Amino acid sequence: DIQMTQSPSTLSASVGDRVTITCRASQAIGSWLAWYQQKPGKAPKLLIYEASSLESGVPSRFSGSGSGTEFTLTISSLQPDDFATYYCQQYHFYRYTFGQGTKLEIK
Amino acid sequence: EVQLVESGGGLVQPGGSLRLSCDASGFTFRTYAMSWVRQAPGKGLEWVSSISGSGQSPYYTDSVKGRFTISRDNSKNTLYLQMNSLRAEDTAIYYCAKWSKTTILSDFDYWGQGILVTVSS
Repeated sequence: DIQMTQSPSTLSASVGDRVTITCRASQAIGSWLAWYQQKPGKAPKLLIYEASSLESGVPSRFSGSGSGTEFTLTISSLQPDDFATYYCQQYHFYRYTFGQGTKLEIK
Repeated sequence: EVQLVESGGGLVQPGGSLRLSCDASGFTFRTYAMSWVRQAPGKGLEWVSSISGSGQSPYYTDSVKGRFTISRDNSKNTLYLQMNSLRAEDTAIYYCAKWSKTTILSDFDYWGQGILVTVSS
């Protein structure tokens, strides 16, 4: 199975900061990567698909990049609503796998 | 508006069975593949199973293969997960998720609210 490794596991930041989360795949997956945001007690929410396409309704401060094995999610200017846990997911191979998550905390 | 509503969770003893249901509305259900994803308490997301729009080609993560069965009834717009021989490590919130595309592989654009399954004696 493809392993997805996110870094960091926890990130402390302040409102207005620019933050970047990295996701690495153990094998090349093209651009078949999605990013999700999850808040406590809630279902995940799709933010980015195909590595860099912004899901409808998602604020433009979120962006994704990368291909092959290395991917990033960037939030250009953190807002209070952005403090949550973020997961990457590969869907290049049918046995979908998620990263272990990155918890974005308020500094 | 797309809605996915899970039901059927609860407390079950090890070795027992449960059937989860996911009632879908707001989209042409038969057109889209669907998946189940679970999340153990305090842990990350784990893909469990997927099924095509027609109900063909189910596939599973290794840890549930032979114990869980995914199915769907397109006449009722409902997705199912039959879970047998349950183990403590199956304890999790189970989410149903809709594929965003009708292609072979896809991300998940809508998720249900989740249903808790607890396996304990």
